[in-house]
Amino acid sequence: KNEVEQSPQNLTAQEGEFITINCSYSVGISALHWLQQHPGGGIVSLFMLSSGKKKHGRLIATINIQEKHSSLHITASHPRDSAVYICAVRGDFGNEKLTFGTGTRLTIIP
Amino acid sequence: NAGVMQNPRHLVRRRGQEARLRCSPMKGHSHVYWYRQLPEEGLKFMVYLQKENIIDESGMPKERFSAEFPKEGPSILRIQQVVRGDSAAYFCASSRREIRGEAFFGQGTRLTVV
Repeated sequence: KNEVEQSPQNLTAQEGEFITINCSYSVGISALHWLQQHPGGGIVSLFMLSSGKKKHGRLIATINIQEKHSSLHITASHPRDSAVYICAVRGDFGNEKLTFGTGTRLTIIP
Repeated sequence: NAGVMQNPRHLVRRRGQEARLRCSPMKGHSHVYWYRQLPEEGLKFMVYLQKENIIDESGMPKERFSAEFPKEGPSILRIQQVVRGDSAAYFCASSRREIRGEAFFGQGTRLTVV
């Protein structure tokens, strides 16, 4: 079992729909990242979370430390949101590396 | 403040050649991480470096791969005698010492071994 599990693996939605991507992890963490990667492109860090909730524009990220679960929401989705979204966790002190989920491929249809 | 700069963006090497990938962290960042993304696979940690020190190389293949982050200049990921299986996207991320958990990624270097 992977230390970081994402669901769904693929998601296709109509423009304007509310999108939710889930991430569950099985290890102790110091931080959780949501990353965005466009095809052939670089990686952009959308959020870094250690507790609670963060919002940036149409994007919202939440984390529940007790349940070891995080969600990324996109409101009023747009075709330009089409990308792979990756959840990554950073381990506790002394284990600084990121461990990644396999990503969710999101396609927004106009 | 320029972001994390990686070069080259694309690199083609013949089997047996050496590949050198460079990563210049953001200004003021002293921590560098290298990650590899194999085709159709997720990202995997390779190595974590601070200036002049390798902190964690648990993700590095035992042979042919090495990394350094000198006092001056970029971090270098070096792959000797490349094989087809080394074809991948290699990403570098950097962070400041005092901000635990942050990660700023470069655009990646896409290595193709022919």
